Amino acid sequence: EPEVTQTPSHQVTQMGQEVILRCVPISNHLYFYWYRQILGQKVEFLVSFYNNEISEKSEIFDDQFSVERPDGSNFTLKIRSTKLEDSAMYFCASSTSSGGREQYFGPGTRLTVT
Amino acid sequence: AQSVTQLDSQVPVFEEAPVELRCNYSSSVSVYLFWYVQYPNQGLQLLLKYLSGSTLVKGINGFEAEFNKSQTSFHLRKPSVHISDTAEYFCAVIPYNQGGKLIFGQGTELSVKP
Repeated sequence: EPEVTQTPSHQVTQMGQEVILRCVPISNHLYFYWYRQILGQKVEFLVSFYNNEISEKSEIFDDQFSVERPDGSNFTLKIRSTKLEDSAMYFCASSTSSGGREQYFGPGTRLTVT
Repeated sequence: AQSVTQLDSQVPVFEEAPVELRCNYSSSVSVYLFWYVQYPNQGLQLLLKYLSGSTLVKGINGFEAEFNKSQTSFHLRKPSVHISDTAEYFCAVIPYNQGGKLIFGQGTELSVKP
């Protein structure tokens, strides 16, 4: 069964460093999403992406964040200058439908900022 | 704005007992409703969804949920749980015509004991 994959599973970085989290969505999906979950808190929407542009972004998704689909398979989330409060589990998801009514999630990347 | 409240953060239950995980939502527009499950060290897996039609929906692993519009609830039930059902369960909504952004509850940790 096709699945969403994410790398790395765990990333440790120092405050102020840039990180890139990578996702490979399911191959025939067209809609892509990033969510994050700070330890002990809710899963929060960050951004949705379709047709090579951002469809919607949350207040969390400020200028420090960017997303890209550099080729036909990868979908990346970049954080330019990490802060301690960026420490969280980051989930990628993909969907075939514009309403996002069946989103398939990857296993997540745990980001630890020290 | 929309919000989702899961009334129980932890639910301990004995194997073969019935269980109900409660979910209420608040929204000024109609929503689609979902339950996701997260097993340890894995991503979020769709358990079931309500899009329209019959208010009782059945999902994987013997779970079902009932949409109650007047009470704005979408409680998850299983008549007899197994040890393997031990996981975190998330209720979520997508507002109609808002691009597929999932809005999650805080999660309920279901712990099934022998």
